[in-house]
Amino acid sequence: EPEVTQTPSHQVTQMGQEVILRCVPISNHLYFYWYRQILGQKVEFLVSFYNNEISEKSEIFDDQFSVERPDGSNFTLKIRSTKLEDSAMYFCASSPQGNEAFFGQGTRLTVV
Amino acid sequence: SQKIEQNSEALNIQEGKTATLTCNYTNYSPAYLQWYRQDPGRGPVFLLLIRENEKEKRKERLKVTFDTTLKQSLFHITASQPADSATYLCALRNTGGFKTIFGAGTRLFVKA
Repeated sequence: EPEVTQTPSHQVTQMGQEVILRCVPISNHLYFYWYRQILGQKVEFLVSFYNNEISEKSEIFDDQFSVERPDGSNFTLKIRSTKLEDSAMYFCASSPQGNEAFFGQGTRLTVV
Repeated sequence: SQKIEQNSEALNIQEGKTATLTCNYTNYSPAYLQWYRQDPGRGPVFLLLIRENEKEKRKERLKVTFDTTLKQSLFHITASQPADSATYLCALRNTGGFKTIFGAGTRLFVKA
């Protein structure tokens, strides 16, 4: 069964460094998303991506964040100048028609 | 302000009984309401989607109801099993929007 793949599963980075989280969505899906979940809290929407551009973003998704779909298969989230409070589980998701979302297993980001 | 409310208290039930979880929302006009399952340390898994013009949806042992007047959805798991133990998330997508917003979830424990 097709699935969303995320790498790495765990990333440790120094405060102030840049990280790139990678995702391979399910092929033939058209909508792509990034969410994050701080430990013990709810899943928070960051950004949605459709037709090669950001379709919607949350207040959390400020200039520190950017997304790219550099080729036909990958979807990346870049976080610049990481802060301690960026430590969280980051989930990529894709959807065939923008309704139900299929999530990857997440990347646990730890900023030290 | 917009809110999605799910019981923060865990629900404990005996194997074989029906589990009923509640999702209430305010200041949303959802086009779709979805239910997901999340196990510790893993990404949410899509279970069911119900549209604003639908009252009820079923899939195997799962049933969802959607009352747009009460602004409430009920999620039922019949003949519950210990393997159903997980956190269940309610999620909404507004009409005309791209982002899906999640509730904090309700933890379900099914005892053998």
